Parts: sequence; C-alpha cells; structure tokens
Amino acid sequence: DIQMTQSPSSVSASVGDRVTITCRASQGISSWLAWYQQKPGKAPKLLIYAASSLQSGVPSRFSGSGSGTDFTLTISSLQPEDFATYYCQQANSFSNTFGQGTKLEIK
Amino acid sequence: EVQLVESGGGLVQPGGSLRLSCAASGFTFSSYWMSWVRQAPGKGLEWVANIKQDGSEKYYVDSVKGRFTISRDNAKNSLYLQMNSLRAEDTAVYYCARILWFGELSYFDYWGQGTLVTVSS
Repeated sequence: DIQMTQSPSSVSASVGDRVTITCRASQGISSWLAWYQQKPGKAPKLLIYAASSLQSGVPSRFSGSGSGTDFTLTISSLQPEDFATYYCQQANSFSNTFGQGTKLEIK
Repeated sequence: EVQLVESGGGLVQPGGSLRLSCAASGFTFSSYWMSWVRQAPGKGLEWVANIKQDGSEKYYVDSVKGRFTISRDNAKNSLYLQMNSLRAEDTAVYYCARILWFGELSYFDYWGQGTLVTVSS
C-alpha cells in the first residue's frame, strides 16, 4: 500500500505569511494527488486536485505543485480563515490514502 | 445545491451492528461513484469504501473487509454502509462523500456533515 507522509505535523504562522506544506508518497503516484482543508467540527473541503488544479471557488492564494513522490501545498498570504488542518490524499488502484494531516495554527 | 446527509450513527456494543445511510440531493446520484470516509476522535481521515455508479464494483480498506458492506439505492438517491462485528477501533465520525475522477485520481468533491459511531460497552 502507498503511504503518504506530511510535514510538518504542525506549523505556527501569522496572517500575511507564506506557508508551504509537504506531502511525500512512498512510491510514485504521477500527479494523482488532492489536498483538503478541515476546520474543527466540520467536514473536509477540497482545495486542489491532480496536484495543481484549483477547485472551483477556492481562493487563488492556494496552490499545489509536484509529481512523482513529492508534493507541496502553498498558501501565499495567510488569511484568518486559513487556520485549519490540511490533508493530502492519493488514490491508486481503487485504494485511497490520506496523509496524517498538518495543523496550521496562529502564531 | 449538492447535499449529502448522513444518519444512523450511535452507540453500539463491541460485536454489534449498525447501518449508516446517506441521503443525496442536488445532483444525479446514479452518475457518480460514492464513498465512505471516517475520522476517529482527534485523528486523521481514513478512507473506508467506494462503490461504482451501478453498484457493480466495491472497494474497501483492509481493516473493514468482511465486516462492512457498502451499497446504494439509486431510486432512493441513497448510499449505505452496513457495519457488522464492530470493534472499538471503528469508533469515528463517518462521512459520505461524492467521488470525481481525473485520470487515475479519485477525489472527494462534496462531503456530508458526518455521523458519529461509538463502539463501547
């Protein structure tokens, strides 16, 4: 099974900062990766699919990149509503795997 | 507006059974793969099962194979998860999610609000 490892597990940042979260796959997955945002007590929200495609309605300050085994989610200028937990997800051979999550906290 | 509304969660004893339901609206349910994803208290997301549009293909995470069954009723716009032989480690919020495909990637574009399943004596 493909394992997904996110880093860091948590990060503190300030409004206006640029933040990058990394996701590494245990084997190559081409560009078959999605990113989600989850706030406490709420369902996850899709941000990015196919590594770099922005989901409709998601602000352009969110961007994704990478292919193969290494991927990044970047928030160019943090807004107060961006403080949440972020997950990467891969799907291979009809089996899906999420990363363990990265909690983005206010500094 | 796409809506997914889960129900059926609750407290169940170890070894017991529970059936979750997800009522879909706002889209052509029969045209989409669907999924169940769970989240244990304070933990991350774990994919549980997928089902094809016509129910002909079903996939499960190893930890629930033989115990859980995903199904759907396209006439009722409903998705189900029959959970048998429940264990304490199945305690989680269970989300119903709609699947989209992009090449080989299946990802989840809409999620329900979740229903809590607690397995405890």
